Amino acid sequence: NAGVTQTPKFRILKIGQSMTLQCAQDMNHNYMYWYRQDPGMGLKLIYYSVGAGITDKGEVPNGYNVSRSTTEDFPLRLELAAPSQTSVYFCASSLQGAVDEQFFGPGTRLTVL
Amino acid sequence: AQSVAQPEDQVNVAEGNPLTVKCTYSVSGNPYLFWYVQYPNRGLQFLLKYITGDNLVKGSYGFEAEFNKSQTSFHLKKPSALVSDSALYFCADDHNTDKLIFGTGTRLQVFP
Repeated sequence: NAGVTQTPKFRILKIGQSMTLQCAQDMNHNYMYWYRQDPGMGLKLIYYSVGAGITDKGEVPNGYNVSRSTTEDFPLRLELAAPSQTSVYFCASSLQGAVDEQFFGPGTRLTVL
Repeated sequence: AQSVAQPEDQVNVAEGNPLTVKCTYSVSGNPYLFWYVQYPNRGLQFLLKYITGDNLVKGSYGFEAEFNKSQTSFHLKKPSALVSDSALYFCADDHNTDKLIFGTGTRLQVFP
């Protein structure tokens, strides 16, 4: 199993550009999550999904959108990039929600200039 | 609001000595508590969790944590630290939902 994969690993965007961060898992997990990690701030939940077709907001959803058309994929969309979105983004998945351990991808380092 | 607190930004310990990384939680009801570790340029890895039952939880790499309801704490411990344990450690609480709330992290530095 590849586990949780994320692409790209690094990206530099200009203000106002858009992009999609890809996330896929091959463990047949129902739950998937997107976090951002800023220095000294821990991880903040952006969006999560409890299954295909179901998504919900986390703590910091503004400026982002998600979709979950399949169990495997959970892309994160940035429509109008802003410097405040400079961060490291992690995707994670778990079988049965928070009671189970979450498996994390390697992260995407995004810089918005 | 429910949250977890990690009061120490950094913990320094000599190799071979016991280590403790502190975590306190603020929640009503019965929390689900987790510890994760992050090595440089990597995603988080699960170490251990407390759901119910025995207050002493054993996890990966020789780590353990003790759930203390009266002190609302869930400190991470290891009897003998290794240099390879140096990493960023996160405590997390399930917030009584399907979402984890993470602490701000504690950097553990183990010196040879």
